[in-house]
Amino acid sequence: GAVVSQHPSWVICKSGTSVKIECRSLDFQATTMFWYRQFPKQSLMLMATSNEGSKATYEQGVEKDKFLINHASLTLSTLTVTSAHPEDSSFYICSARDLDREAGELFFGEGSRLTVL
Amino acid sequence: GQNIDQPTEMTATEGAIVQINCTYQTSGFNGLFWYQQHAGEAPTFLSYNVLDGLEEKGRFSSFLSRSKGYSYLLLKELQMKDSASYLCAVRDSNYQLIWGAGTKLIIKP
Repeated sequence: GAVVSQHPSWVICKSGTSVKIECRSLDFQATTMFWYRQFPKQSLMLMATSNEGSKATYEQGVEKDKFLINHASLTLSTLTVTSAHPEDSSFYICSARDLDREAGELFFGEGSRLTVL
Repeated sequence: GQNIDQPTEMTATEGAIVQINCTYQTSGFNGLFWYQQHAGEAPTFLSYNVLDGLEEKGRFSSFLSRSKGYSYLLLKELQMKDSASYLCAVRDSNYQLIWGAGTKLIIKP
């Protein structure tokens, strides 16, 4: 199946620092990638839709200046959590859709667990 | 508003069969997905239904009734490794995915 790779898997940082998370589609081109956040025992919450070559589309309530998204190529999107605070600690997951597949199902990266001290 | 309902938690016995239900109310319908998510891991795709009826894939089957806004995921011959959360998601008329909160399935020996 289609493969999406996410890095890093775990990151611990100090409050006030910035963290960058990378999401790559390894064997297909993804013009659109999706960034989710998931708190413990809760479902996925869509943060933003990353569009290659254009600005990301953010969901209501998500601060675009805090969660910077860059989708510079058809295989790479990055999420930067700027000036991270403890409340930003969460599981961040990226996903992409392989448009060659009939169902258009999402393929997820491994997820990145962020802990802000 | 858009809404997807599924039970919070279910318990079943190894070797048995379990059915996880999902009901939805969305703005349009362009397919329903089931994903499996083990604790601490990202979701993985299980099944896709866009027409009414049953889709079978090995030990897992998924059913859809669009007129009732209803789907279920059927897991047969349960194994301990099936302990996970099962997420129901519906793609609406804008091709946006609406996610259910997930059903945590606990398998007991």
